[in-house]
Amino acid sequence: GAGVSQSPSNKVTEKGKDVELRCDPISGHTALYWYRQSLGQGLEFLIYFQGNSAPDKSGLPSDRFSAERTGGSVSTLTIQRTQQEDSAVYLCASSWGQSQPRSGNTIYFGEGSWLTVV
Amino acid sequence: AQSVTQLDSHVSVSEGTPVLLRCNYSSSYSPSLFWYVQHPNKGLQLLLKYTSAATLVKGINGFEAEFKKSETSFHLTKPSAHMSDAAEYFCVVAAPSGGSYIPTFGRGTSLIVHP
Repeated sequence: GAGVSQSPSNKVTEKGKDVELRCDPISGHTALYWYRQSLGQGLEFLIYFQGNSAPDKSGLPSDRFSAERTGGSVSTLTIQRTQQEDSAVYLCASSWGQSQPRSGNTIYFGEGSWLTVV
Repeated sequence: AQSVTQLDSHVSVSEGTPVLLRCNYSSSYSPSLFWYVQHPNKGLQLLLKYTSAATLVKGINGFEAEFKKSETSFHLTKPSAHMSDAAEYFCVVAAPSGGSYIPTFGRGTSLIVHP
């Protein structure tokens, strides 16, 4: 597609339920990122994919959070047993992937999935 | 390791006056630097980026930023603010490291434009 697509755009879920958030990156982009943005906060890095592998998942806040990417394209972020503190906007981004230093790969963001845990 | 500090959480200006949003960075490698803008309830849009070419970078909507290595700064400026510039602005630093390339975001600066 023309841009990064995320779904659902809005999700309200009950505490304790599992949720899945989907990201369709720009076609051909090998790098994919998940960030979280809480109200009034900056962007918190969650996980980075290069192709289907995740060389850096250091930002996942707990073992309730997991992500996968298949076919080097679509990614799913899963939050199990959701808690109220998980309420945030989850942003997905993609880029051409690691390149030579100084090449300045631009990261393109989706509109985000707004998650509310009640 | 890399980090970025946006020195002001809020900046308030009058329409038609200059804008200055300050950003300092730290990086173990020669970094790429970006500014993104986020309007309310919208995604992030790239304003401009520095990738080691010209140190003065021009972006969209009249914004520009100057890379100053000696000061480790990448401040964003605009000569004359418009009401539509009111938004959240994020400074971002990124450099390849250990097989990864993970941009680090500042906490953001909220630009308020008064009529």
